[in-house]
Amino acid sequence: KNEVEQSPQNLTAQEGEFITINCSYSVGISALHWLQQHPGGGIVSLFMLSSGKKKHGRLIATINIQEKHSSLHITASHPRDSAVYICACNTDKLIFGTGTRLQVFP
Amino acid sequence: DTAVSQTPKYLVTQMGNDKSIKCEQNLGHDTMYWYKQDSKKFLKIMFSYNNKELIINETVPNRFSPKSPDKAHLNLHINSLELGDSAVYFCASSPGAIRGDTQYFGPGTRLTVL
Repeated sequence: KNEVEQSPQNLTAQEGEFITINCSYSVGISALHWLQQHPGGGIVSLFMLSSGKKKHGRLIATINIQEKHSSLHITASHPRDSAVYICACNTDKLIFGTGTRLQVFP
Repeated sequence: DTAVSQTPKYLVTQMGNDKSIKCEQNLGHDTMYWYKQDSKKFLKIMFSYNNKELIINETVPNRFSPKSPDKAHLNLHINSLELGDSAVYFCASSPGAIRGDTQYFGPGTRLTVL
């Protein structure tokens, strides 16, 4: 069992739908990252959070330290949001989840 | 300006060869990393350097040797390449070794060993 689990593994949505991707972890962390990997392979850091909630445009990330759980939400999803979303936990290094492949259709 | 750059982008080579991948960051960061992404797209850390000093060395075969000539560069040299080394290798950097720093990733190097 991975120390960082994501669900779902794959997600398809229609344009405009509200998306939620979940991340659960079993290790002690100092912070949690959400990353986006584009179809071309490039990786971009979306959020780094250690408590509460952060918002950037249509993206919202939340974390519950007690429950060891984080969620990434995308409001009004768009085909350009199609990517793999990866949760990563900061211990003394980054431990990655297996990723969630999101496809948004027009 | 590219923040974290890697060369080459693609590398195709025969088993048994020795190859290097270069990484440079122009962000003034103190810490650099090498990650391997396997065929199932799972990312795993290999090495981390802080100010040219090795701080993380995961269970990686000693055929892999990182070298940091200065804090802006972290190169990865691989000896006696094997089929299982085929993967995408990502370099990244962060401002410090403080736990919780945002990491900035390079574009990746796709290594194919034939």
